[in-house]
Amino acid sequence: DTGVSQDPRHKITKRGQNVTFRCDPISEHNRLYWYRQTLGQGPEFLTYFQNEAQLEKSRLLSDRFSAERPKGSFSTLEIQRTEQGDSAMYLCASSLAGTAEKLFFGSGTQLSVL
Amino acid sequence: RKEVEQDPGPFNVPEGATVAFNCTYSNSASQSFFWYRQDCRKEPKLLMSVYSSGNEDGRFTAQLNRASQYISLLIRDSKLSDSATYLCVVNIITGNQFYFGTGTSLTVIP
Repeated sequence: DTGVSQDPRHKITKRGQNVTFRCDPISEHNRLYWYRQTLGQGPEFLTYFQNEAQLEKSRLLSDRFSAERPKGSFSTLEIQRTEQGDSAMYLCASSLAGTAEKLFFGSGTQLSVL
Repeated sequence: RKEVEQDPGPFNVPEGATVAFNCTYSNSASQSFFWYRQDCRKEPKLLMSVYSSGNEDGRFTAQLNRASQYISLLIRDSKLSDSATYLCVVNIITGNQFYFGTGTSLTVIP
């Protein structure tokens, strides 16, 4: 499968715990994005990388959130001290930079904070 | 003000009907435009890009009006399988961010 893959598909955690999600982009894509989506809303931008550099971060991304893309390939998104309001679908997308850039999404990680 | 605004619907239409969705965007620096389709509990999937000249893909037609800053999607001869949420997406040059609308829900009824 050469699409974007995310792991895990589902995560249930207790409030206050740390969680980490992984995203493997399409291999030739140099850009990787993280979005968050709640029921009835469109995806909200969190952050994006070009290769290993994190170029933009949303104001939505509090200090409890951190993302890395150490070798310019896979990325991880960590949420520390989870809160119930963090419950959402976390979507990863990758793209090839250029004038015809388009996003291709993974299946997402559904986070439930109890 | 949101970057992208869509009527959330829901739109409930009979099979075979023609349905149109509109979307407005606020940033004139927007450079590229898309419609994505999202099925329940699934990831968004690219339906089509939207070009200034308008473009068609089978039963789907997309239009862009830069002067009025709106984008449209027309679906002809609706099928049951078209039932989904349709997301309007705009890419803004500054910060290279893709902004999504809240989506428009479509249900095609037999």
